[in-house]
Amino acid sequence: DAGITQSPRHKVTETGTPVTLRCHQTENHRYMYWYRQDPGHGLRLIHYSYGVKDTDKGEVSDGYSVSRSKTEDFLLTLESATSSQTSVYFCANTPSPNTEAFFGQGTRLTVV
Amino acid sequence: SQQGEEDPQALSIQEGENATMNCSYKTSINNLQWYRQNSGRGLVHLILIRSNEREKHSGRLRVTLDTSKKSSSLLITASRAADTASYFCATEGVQAGTALIFGKGTTLSVSS
Repeated sequence: DAGITQSPRHKVTETGTPVTLRCHQTENHRYMYWYRQDPGHGLRLIHYSYGVKDTDKGEVSDGYSVSRSKTEDFLLTLESATSSQTSVYFCANTPSPNTEAFFGQGTRLTVV
Repeated sequence: SQQGEEDPQALSIQEGENATMNCSYKTSINNLQWYRQNSGRGLVHLILIRSNEREKHSGRLRVTLDTSKKSSSLLITASRAADTASYFCATEGVQAGTALIFGKGTTLSVSS
């Protein structure tokens, strides 16, 4: 799993509150990704990073922001959580293009 | 919209039978990858096939890629109950720094 740790693993939060999910890697891979997984949709890309302070939007980026101030950490923030953001969130990394991705174990987020 | 679409969405077979899953995609790719996900777990990489390759093998797995048809197939031979999982294809685009885009997955059930 290329040393990826996601925290927290489970979280329940109220609508309208900010939430930050953390992805920490020990391998110092350049590329990191945040996906969400929902029934019937598979994995959808939220944001990704191709280096420190270099990030880009994915398919479902509305309502989410990210930050990568150092190589090992990639943070995903829900500025004001909504029920539609209830999902399982996965972080992944790769060392370079044309290589496999390694996934964390996921964070199950419930917005009530 | 998502790049890859797997077919079928669900597949049920008996132990010992072969399982074939298909993936179609829309735009030019650097590579196509297959991942496996056991229930409630993170994704695990199975195999990567580059755009200039047509077939690749890994143990009981055989992957083909037809770039003219923008499609790939994953064959699992002599299936076992332990192969029960969801299988996803993912594509990496040709532009530098593009992220892996996943399909919705095929759920495989192998009964003994």
